[in-house]
Amino acid sequence: QVHLQESGPGLVKPSETLSLTCTVSGGSVSTTSYYWGWFRQPPGKGLEWIGTIYEAVSTFYNPSLKSRVTISADTSKNELSLRLSSVTAADTALYYCARELRGAAAGVNADSWGQGTLVTVSS
Amino acid sequence: QSALTQPASVSGSPGQSITISCTGTSSDVGSFNLVSWYQQHPGKAPKLMTYEVSKRPSGVSNRFSGSKSGNTASLTISGLQAEDEADYYCCSYAGSDRVLFGGGTKLTVL
Repeated sequence: QVHLQESGPGLVKPSETLSLTCTVSGGSVSTTSYYWGWFRQPPGKGLEWIGTIYEAVSTFYNPSLKSRVTISADTSKNELSLRLSSVTAADTALYYCARELRGAAAGVNADSWGQGTLVTVSS
Repeated sequence: QSALTQPASVSGSPGQSITISCTGTSSDVGSFNLVSWYQQHPGKAPKLMTYEVSKRPSGVSNRFSGSKSGNTASLTISGLQAEDEADYYCCSYAGSDRVLFGGGTKLTVL
């Protein structure tokens, strides 16, 4: 059974870079069987896909965030990383990492999720 | 990009069936059989209930079924149970690495 756990600062200043880590157990971030994705949910609002990595090196990004997002994987630690630059208050959200069923598209079929970590952007 | 359109709320009594709609366009729901539905209880992470329109992940009750007609996808829950009370989100691929989510539907079990 795969387990995902997000971690990182809960408070980030405007214009700075948000950095989160997702520790994966019970599965490998370099597997060819699944994708690994990041999603977010502003408090009281709906879900948004941020981006996905597969086979530890190839990435898909939400076009609306692409210029600010970097997703990477550390196979030695079996971890995923998310970096979001130039953050504003609009980036305040609960950030989730998730495992995705590999298929025709990324960001659509996330079958296992971490518990999420709240990131607030404020000075 | 616009979100998919879902009713804000639906309700039903235990044992009944309810259907939640998810309306998109010919560029997203209508073009791809890549629609999924998520259930989210308060304070919890989302849970994948159906994917690729009508497939169910292992462990998900067969009381949950997905379908699609034209630009509208639907999630039907039969034999409604108290534990089904949650928020439900639809999701669709929209081409060119675009993924759309609905605004969410709050299901109340009366």
